[in-house]
Amino acid sequence: AQSVTQPDIHITVSEGASLELRCNYSYGATPYLFWYVQSPGQGLQLLLKYFSGDTLVQGIKGFEAEFKRSQSSFNLRKPSVHWSDAAEYFCAVVSKGDDKIIFGKGTRLHILP
Amino acid sequence: GAVVSQHPSRVICKSGTSVKIECRSLDFQATTMFWYRQFPKQSLMLMATSNEGSKATYEQGVEKDKFLINHASLTLSTLTVTSAHPEDSSFYICSARDPARGDTEAFFGQGTRLTVV
Repeated sequence: AQSVTQPDIHITVSEGASLELRCNYSYGATPYLFWYVQSPGQGLQLLLKYFSGDTLVQGIKGFEAEFKRSQSSFNLRKPSVHWSDAAEYFCAVVSKGDDKIIFGKGTRLHILP
Repeated sequence: GAVVSQHPSRVICKSGTSVKIECRSLDFQATTMFWYRQFPKQSLMLMATSNEGSKATYEQGVEKDKFLINHASLTLSTLTVTSAHPEDSSFYICSARDPARGDTEAFFGQGTRLTVV
């Protein structure tokens, strides 16, 4: 069965510093991968997605992610974080065949002023 | 992108009563919608897949009789929490795909915070 692992429950970085959030997936074929962001008490907003093609994907708000098949990873990066980036980030994979989205447990990002 | 609207955003109800949550796709038709439940500081757990014009498909461990799902039209799915108890208090989120967009991106509602007292 497909699964998504986000090894870091909490990440704290200083404003202006670079960020990398880790995501590993378990899937038999090339997956559809997503990163979502959730602010407290809110729904989810799509940051970026990977279906095929260029393995470096650009998203909104200055985020990017790189698909690495050899490592089964899809890490999210941002060169310089802003205080408004503090939120919960979810990596997700689509389960082909039934189109279900399977989420990782999430990583909460804290920003130090 | 496509817009999914959930209503209400917050609801407080007494134990034993039923609560209905609506999920609407505002600018597209969704033959399939998904209902998730999120406990505090937890990930989203898929509860069921709502199919327009047919019965919903529930995930293992989800009580069908407690969480009634109706997908009566291509733009509306409802989740009814029947005989609610405090342990049903949670954040419920729906999502839908726009088949016309030709990909598997899902759009999420704003979520509904249910508190059962």
